[in-house]
Amino acid sequence: DAGVIQSPRHEVTEMGQEVTLRCKPISGHDYLFWYRQTMMRGLELLIYFNNNVPIDDSGMPEDRFSAKMPNASFSTLKIQPSEPRDSAVYFCASSPLGQGYYGYTFGSGTRLTVV
Amino acid sequence: DQQVKQNSPSLSVQEGRISILNCDYTNSMFDYFLWYKKYPAEGPTFLISISSIKDKNEDGRFTVFLNKSAKHLSLHIVPSQPGDSAVYFCAAGTLGAGNMLTFGGGTRLMVKP
Repeated sequence: DAGVIQSPRHEVTEMGQEVTLRCKPISGHDYLFWYRQTMMRGLELLIYFNNNVPIDDSGMPEDRFSAKMPNASFSTLKIQPSEPRDSAVYFCASSPLGQGYYGYTFGSGTRLTVV
Repeated sequence: DQQVKQNSPSLSVQEGRISILNCDYTNSMFDYFLWYKKYPAEGPTFLISISSIKDKNEDGRFTVFLNKSAKHLSLHIVPSQPGDSAVYFCAAGTLGAGNMLTFGGGTRLMVKP
């Protein structure tokens, strides 16, 4: 299995532009999570899906952030318009049902820089 | 309100000695706890976990201790190796909460040769 695949690995964009981050979870995993890592807040959960349905988006910082999971093998996190304070590493992770104790599998992350 | 806290942002240890990473939590409803390890430019990888009904779990050089009364857990690495140098995150989860994990802020461990 190729693991959780995120693209792009790096993204540099100008303030005000739309940014789309992509994630392909491990096949058969029921849960998909989007996390953001910053120096100030560590790893914070933005949103998670169960069987393609958003369950908890309370961590999404503002209306500028949106996430979709149109099918079991693909999810996007969109920021529109982007701001410099959105600069961070964004991780996608997936997990089978009932396997929280055994941890998620994370992707390698997308480093976003908004200038 | 941070439910899981790692109060030491960094730790430096000599190779061969013990590394002890600490984590505190506030929510007594957590059912299990995990430690993740993260190298630069990579995603976090699962290291070890412990159920709230246990007080110790061991896997090779890694042992996690849980003190429920103090709401504290620690990760012991013995002996420490230079390859252990990474950022370590503790995390906590609740059964029935949809596999959701709450992470601490991380501790950077540096193991010096």
